[in-house]
Amino acid sequence: RKEVEQDPGPFNVPEGATVAFNCTYSNSASQSFFWYRQDCRKEPKLLMSVYSSGNEDGRFTAQLNRASQYISLLIRDSKLSDSATYLCVVLKNTGNQFYFGTGTSLTVIP
Amino acid sequence: NAGVTQTPKFRVLKTGQSMTLLCAQDMNHEYMYWYRQDPGMGLRLIHYSVGEGTTAKGEVPDGYNVSRLKKQNFLLGLESAAPSQTSVYFCASSSIGANLLYGYTFGSGTRLTVV
Repeated sequence: RKEVEQDPGPFNVPEGATVAFNCTYSNSASQSFFWYRQDCRKEPKLLMSVYSSGNEDGRFTAQLNRASQYISLLIRDSKLSDSATYLCVVLKNTGNQFYFGTGTSLTVIP
Repeated sequence: NAGVTQTPKFRVLKTGQSMTLLCAQDMNHEYMYWYRQDPGMGLRLIHYSVGEGTTAKGEVPDGYNVSRLKKQNFLLGLESAAPSQTSVYFCASSSIGANLLYGYTFGSGTRLTVV
């Protein structure tokens, strides 16, 4: 079983729509969680960390459910510039190794 | 503030040739990593280092070697390139403790084609 699993999509949504991605992880001892954004032919960049209590950054909301071992990302009022691949990332309890999902592709359509 | 710098950005190799990819970071990070990214496979860890003079194998280490003689540099070597090593290679670094909040910083990648 993979450490981190994501639905690869693609998700094609109209501008202004709300879209949600989920990600599951296999190691219950995982300690930190992140969402990264990767644009085509670019490096991944940190979008937001995911905290146990859930956190929001503008149009983006991240949630963590430790009991069910999944994290989610909600994007409200989608913009064309949100088109990218979103990577779910989990840091294991060893503290020095991250595991990446294969990414979920999002295209926002005018 | 350069962050993580990878060189070269592009390279074409013939099968059997060798090369070294250089990763340099100026953030005084303890941890450094080499990943490869292939379509449908996501990012896979090749080797990593938790400090100067240390290296460890990741998920897909075969065919690669690494060295970390200086804290700021992490070198990835291909001894005898094979077409299966055609990929995009990313270097990343992170800091003890801070990685819990901020994750990795990535370099811009090296696109390697082996023909």
